[in-house]
Amino acid sequence: NAGVTQTPKFQVLKTGQSMTLQCAQDMNHNSMYWYRQDPGMGLRLIYYSASEGTTDKGEVPNGYNVSRLNKREFSLRLESAAPSQTSVYFCATWGGRAYNEQFFGPGTRLTVL
Amino acid sequence: AQSVSQHNHHVILSEAASLELGCNYSYGGTVNLFWYVQYPGQHLQLLLKYFSGDPLVKGIKGFEAEFIKSKFSFNLRKPSVQWSDTAEYFCAVTLYGSGNTGKLIFGQGTTLQVKP
Repeated sequence: NAGVTQTPKFQVLKTGQSMTLQCAQDMNHNSMYWYRQDPGMGLRLIYYSASEGTTDKGEVPNGYNVSRLNKREFSLRLESAAPSQTSVYFCATWGGRAYNEQFFGPGTRLTVL
Repeated sequence: AQSVSQHNHHVILSEAASLELGCNYSYGGTVNLFWYVQYPGQHLQLLLKYFSGDPLVKGIKGFEAEFIKSKFSFNLRKPSVQWSDTAEYFCAVTLYGSGNTGKLIFGQGTTLQVKP
């Protein structure tokens, strides 16, 4: 089992360009999350999806959109990238209270010039 | 708003020294508590977690944490650190109330540097 996978691992964009970060899981978990990690700020929730077909805003949703394509996949889109979106992005899944821990992907390091 | 605070942002220790990293949260309801570790260039891994029961929780690699409800704290400890413990450590909380969906609230992180 691959767990949680993310593509790409690295990306450099110019201001104004768009891109989609992909996340896929084979853990059969209902809930999926997108976080960004910035120095001195820990991880902050961008968007989450409690189940297939639903998405909700987290703490820092501005400038992002998400799609829960199916139970396995949850993508994060930057429509017009800005330097403030330079960060490391992590996808995570949660299997519910029976498991009570989130499982993280390897991350995508994004630089916006 | 609920928050998690980690008191130490950057800790430098020599090998064999004892470690204690502070974590406090602000929420009066039921919580689950976690410590995650991120080794250089890697993704987050769970060190340990607390749901209920014995407030002293043991995790992987010799780490433990104590939940003190009256102090809203969940401090991480290790009696003797190794160079391989060099990493960033994150305390996190999930809140239980109506509509809970497992969202984690993270502290700012503590960078631990262990000198050989």
